[in-house]
Amino acid sequence: DTAVSQTPKYLVTQMGNDKSIKCEQNLGHDTMYWYKQDSKKFLKIMFSYNNKELIINETVPNRFSPKSPDKAHLNLHINSLELGDSAVYFCASSPLYGRAGNEQFFGPGTRLTVL
Amino acid sequence: AQKITQTQPGMFVQEKEAVTLDCTYDTSDPSYGLFWYKQPSSGEMIFLIYQGSYDQQNATEGRYSLNFQKARKSANLVISASQLGDSAMYFCAMREDNSGNTPLVFGKGTRLSVIA
Repeated sequence: DTAVSQTPKYLVTQMGNDKSIKCEQNLGHDTMYWYKQDSKKFLKIMFSYNNKELIINETVPNRFSPKSPDKAHLNLHINSLELGDSAVYFCASSPLYGRAGNEQFFGPGTRLTVL
Repeated sequence: AQKITQTQPGMFVQEKEAVTLDCTYDTSDPSYGLFWYKQPSSGEMIFLIYQGSYDQQNATEGRYSLNFQKARKSANLVISASQLGDSAMYFCAMREDNSGNTPLVFGKGTRLSVIA
């Protein structure tokens, strides 16, 4: 029973292409996130959605467009891929309400390589 | 300004020994949460332990304990009786305004290697 799933796990593509990464959670959580982990392993928030509504958009190029068709899904579309987009992208989710310190559940990550 | 600082890029520990991974944080929010995650070479992020800013006692989860020193703004992770499977990257993270939907801010991580 996968809690947070991402597809694909690996994505290799040419510069200039457009690609999408899909994320689904079956935990009934209200909030979903996209994090980017760079080549130095640094993890940084990109976007946060609460119940299909965008609530956080860190300084991310507008080539990145998240879409949440429903609260269980958060997809990431990337236009005109650049070499610097190569990274591991993690989807995560957490409940909105509940005890303080609700952990964020992470997906397995998508390793994107732009050639 | 960096909100989470992990000063040890790499650490070595002998199997069965205890090890402390350092983490200091910076926030003016009175309500915050501190988290530790483990990332093995397979890449997944595994939640280890949580400490809330109002918690009076240090958090413990099995072999993991969090040494929370609020005045020093430190939240060190202590792993007792290290095992070879503990070799991984360890990330300290903080959530300000400790509500459910605030994203985590991560440190740069510490790579722990356990030696047989």
